[in-house]
Amino acid sequence: GAGVSQSPSNKVTEKGKDVELRCDPISGHTALYWYRQSLGQGLEFLIYFQGNSAPDKSGLPSDRFSAERTGGSVSTLTIQRTQQEDSAVYLCASSPDGPRQPQHFGDGTRLSIL
Amino acid sequence: QKEVEQNSGPLSVPEGAIASLNCTYSDRGSQSFFWYRQYSGKSPELIMFIYSNGDKEDGRFTAQLNKASQYVSLLIRDSQPSDSATYLCAVNGNNNDMRFGAGTRLTVKP
Repeated sequence: GAGVSQSPSNKVTEKGKDVELRCDPISGHTALYWYRQSLGQGLEFLIYFQGNSAPDKSGLPSDRFSAERTGGSVSTLTIQRTQQEDSAVYLCASSPDGPRQPQHFGDGTRLSIL
Repeated sequence: QKEVEQNSGPLSVPEGAIASLNCTYSDRGSQSFFWYRQYSGKSPELIMFIYSNGDKEDGRFTAQLNKASQYVSLLIRDSQPSDSATYLCAVNGNNNDMRFGAGTRLTVKP
C-alpha cells in the first residue's frame, strides 16, 4: 500500500519568504508527526497530531512555525519569514494510533534557504 | 541528562561479526521502544520495536529491553556491509510523546 507521501521533495527559497510543506499520511493512521533533521544531526520533534485532539506543539522552535491537519488526514507545515537556520530536511511520519506504535516516515522535504 | 542517549560512534565491526548498539533513556514510565535504521540521505525505516522486558528476535536482529536499568539494545548478527547506516533509538515517554536519540553510526567493513 501507499506509504507516507511528502511534497515537495526539495525546496529552495530566499530568506524571508514563506514556505508550505505537505504530508499525506498512510490511510487510516490517526497520528501524524513532523520532525526536522539538520545535516548530520538527530531528529528534532516539531509537532504531533492525534485524531481530533489539540496538537502537541511543544517542539515548534518559534512562532514562525505552524502546522495544521485538515480532516484528520493531510497536514501542512508552514514556515513564515524563513531564516537560513531553517535549512534542514523536514520529515513527516504517521502511526496507526499514537506514539506507542511504530511510526512510518515519508522521504522528507529538503529545504534550503538562500 | 538527555532523554534518550546513544553512543554517537562510529562503531566499526568486521563483516560477519555481531554489532551491538545501546541506548539509555531517562523516563522510567516509558512503555514503547523502537529501533530505526537511516541510510545517508534517506529517511528512517523501522527495524524493530519492543514493549516488554527481555529479548525479541527478527531474523538477524535482536532487540533487548531492561526497564529496571532503563536501557534498550539492538544486536545485529552476521553483520553485512549493507547494514552500514545510522541507527536511531526512539522511546515513547510517560507523557505519550516520542523522543529520538541522536543515533549511532555503524560501519561494517568487508
